[in-house]
Amino acid sequence: ETGVTQTPRHLVMGMTNKKSLKCEQHLGHNAMYWYKQSAKKPLELMFVYNFKEQTENNSVPSRFSPECPNSSHLFLHLHTLQPEDSALYLCASSQDLRALAAGQFFGPGTRLTVL
Amino acid sequence: GEDVEQSLFLSVREGDSSVINCTYTDSSSTYLYWYKQEPGAGLQLLTYIFSNMDMKQDQRLTVLLNKKDKHLSLRIADTQTGDSAIYFCAESAKDSNYQLIWGAGTKLIIKP
Repeated sequence: ETGVTQTPRHLVMGMTNKKSLKCEQHLGHNAMYWYKQSAKKPLELMFVYNFKEQTENNSVPSRFSPECPNSSHLFLHLHTLQPEDSALYLCASSQDLRALAAGQFFGPGTRLTVL
Repeated sequence: GEDVEQSLFLSVREGDSSVINCTYTDSSSTYLYWYKQEPGAGLQLLTYIFSNMDMKQDQRLTVLLNKKDKHLSLRIADTQTGDSAIYFCAESAKDSNYQLIWGAGTKLIIKP
């Protein structure tokens, strides 16, 4: 148990659906991240929030919309996705933006399948 | 740009040592990490090494860092079936604002 939870664990959606992924951390961290993990590829950093403010958006298509209402919660709103968006979406947190000795703590991920 | 590379698969016999290798390009690296991902789970930090160290040992794990060659390795002694997982190398570098730069992961396969 890393202190980072994600729901749902699995999600199947059609291309016209709207859904949201939720992440919660119980570690008192100030920075939160969304990553996309595809097989045999490095983790792709999507968004970074620090003290609820977005600090990074790595050229992510607008069909992915993040929301960070407070330092403990992070959402990823999904709409009109494409089949190539099917992947494991990982949430992570860290004490602050500088990944030092403690690194980042990860949730178990949401396995997303877009039909 | 920054790049972290590792081979995709490693197969070892149970009880042997596993050595997983990683190369990186950013010379401003401060910390280098090994994460483990078991099936159906997120990534778990296994160990890290600060860039001014060349070795770190933690029970069955030994991390070696060759800063001149920008080469990092993770040795797992007496590999067990529970070590089956994907192992990710990552670096935190000043030039990338200390964000983690990731390798693609090495899948460790244990043969009985």
